Amino acid sequence: DGGITQSPKYLFRKEGQNVTLSCEQNLNHDAMYWYRQDPGQGLRLIYYSQIVNDFQKGDIAEGYSVSREKKESFPLTVTSAQKNPTAFYLCASSIDYVKEQFFGPGTRLTVL
Amino acid sequence: SQQGEEDPQALSIQEGENATMNCSYKTSINNLQWYRQNSGRGLVHLILIRSNEREKHSGRLRVTLDTSKKSSSLLITASRAADTASYFCAKSGANNLFFGTGTRLTVIP
Repeated sequence: DGGITQSPKYLFRKEGQNVTLSCEQNLNHDAMYWYRQDPGQGLRLIYYSQIVNDFQKGDIAEGYSVSREKKESFPLTVTSAQKNPTAFYLCASSIDYVKEQFFGPGTRLTVL
Repeated sequence: SQQGEEDPQALSIQEGENATMNCSYKTSINNLQWYRQNSGRGLVHLILIRSNEREKHSGRLRVTLDTSKKSSSLLITASRAADTASYFCAKSGANNLFFGTGTRLTVIP
């Protein structure tokens, strides 16, 4: 089956710890994205990558880091520098930036 | 901000009625897309309308685009309880999509 997967579904982290969220796609898409969604809010772009080994900051990149070493993988690290990391994180991919985006099921991160 | 606004923020209708959601934006676009999100899930793409198109249909969905007013609307006809979800418009920018804050639709059986 073609699609985009995220793991884990739920993640708990203690304050001061870094944590990495996984995002994998087998759609052969060049572009991948990370969004953050807070309760009752829209999506805010954290980072995006339009090609392997290249990525750009989105609107709220502070406290986050990414890598794009493989076309199918775009992991997001939430660092201890992120002041309010509790949120729902969504990964997406697309053929290019103007086409439809395909979303993963999301990871809900809670900082204890 | 390029995100614009959607209205209403929330909409509650009876099953069988039509639901209309609106989206406005501030800068020029290549296309405008509508997505659906069920609670706690990822978004699902519904329809894409290009800047040179005025209307597009997909099943019970009808999307219009008025570039002179920088606005779009999504109409869901003959709504069903299963249509209950949040609906987002997304405007294509220079290198990304910009999502609005969404309309929360509740369809009452």
